[in-house]
Order: sequence, then structure tokens, then C-alpha cells
Amino acid sequence: DAKTTQPPSMDCAEGRAANLPCNHSTISGNEYVYWYRQIHSQGPQYIIHGLKNNETNEMASLIITEDRKSSTLILPHATLRDTAVYYCIVRVVLASGSRLTFGEGTQLTVNP
Amino acid sequence: AAGVIQSPRHLIKEKRETATLKCYPIPRHDTVYWYQQGPGQDPQFLISFYEKMQSDKGSIPDRFSAQQFSDYHSELNMSSLELGDSALYFCASSLDSRGGSPLHFGNGTRLTVT
Repeated sequence: DAKTTQPPSMDCAEGRAANLPCNHSTISGNEYVYWYRQIHSQGPQYIIHGLKNNETNEMASLIITEDRKSSTLILPHATLRDTAVYYCIVRVVLASGSRLTFGEGTQLTVNP
Repeated sequence: AAGVIQSPRHLIKEKRETATLKCYPIPRHDTVYWYQQGPGQDPQFLISFYEKMQSDKGSIPDRFSAQQFSDYHSELNMSSLELGDSALYFCASSLDSRGGSPLHFGNGTRLTVT
């Protein structure tokens, strides 16, 4: 799977948008971009994923650049409960399943 | 919505003992994954099963084994436990017959080896 690069930490004010960047310059055409987060000692929580189009769900938006070499996760109105480690993961999808390989992630701290 | 269920939530064992962790995937999910997360580390992939067959293998020690049963639940068996096996163990499931289906994780089993 392609390697991703994320800033180790970010801060965001409560109520503001949190924009988390991710670089994946070696991504292949059949690899998806997934975002997960992990609140201390809980299981990783799925947020969103996409291949090349921008995606939005009830939790977040995912913006993927046209060349697919980077993406941004947007939490539109961050709350204190969004404080977590956010992982950007590139994953090839196979019919028999394929692993997620976690990197170091971004520690997002939402401040009151 | 139903989630991935793991049991037990906490487990304390002594060195050289054995442990069995159980995972009940989301109904209709056909793939199960096991991860290990040591203190201050990121989750590391151990092994996965698709339709009851091992589909992928990561950094799983030879002392560990796992299987997926006919009802799709999975068990991770750990023998000759070492202090370094103390970690959070997560199970995840997905519906991989549908491409791109995300993994959904349980809340883990915290194993402490003393």
C-alpha cells in the first residue's frame, strides 16, 4: 500500500472547521483513500473514504486532488469530542478483503 | 446499528499462560481482521479471514493462531504469553464481497500479561 504523510499534530477552535491534510504521492489507480480516527484506547472509527471524487457524509467531507496525490479531511464544525488521532490510509481493494495499514496519524486537539 | 463485539473487554494473564480472544462481526460481514496496538503505538495488522479462510497475514507471532468459524465469529488464540504481548487487541469486520467496504472495529480487548 502507498505510504501517507500527515502532520503529527493540529489544533482547532471549537465550532470552526478542521482541515486535516494528507499526502499520498505514490498512490496507485486502484487504491482508495480512507480516513479513520481513534479516540483514546477506543477502536478506530471509520469516517469516510473515496477513490477520486470528493465525498461527503454526516461526519465529514473528503477532498481529493485531481492528481490524487493528496487529500484533505474536513470536519465542518469541530467539537471537543472530535479530539482524536486521525489516520489517513491508502488501501487497495480486493474481493477477498485487504488490510488497513495504519501510519502515525495526526493528533487533532479541539480547544474550547 | 449492530457493531463488532469483542470479549472479554479485559483479560489478565501470567507469563507462559494461554489466552483466547473472541470477535463477533457485524451480521452479514464476511471478513474479519485482527489488530494489535501496544502502548503508545499505532494499530498493527495481525491476520484476516475471508469466508472462513485465512486471507492475509501480517506480523503475527508463531505463538498466536486464529480461525473463523461457520457462524463467522473469530477467535485469536495466544500461547506462551510474554510481557510484550500486553496490548489492546482489536477485531474489525467488513463486507468484502462488496468492493471498497470499510472496516468497522470493535472496542477491543485489553490484555495484560504479568
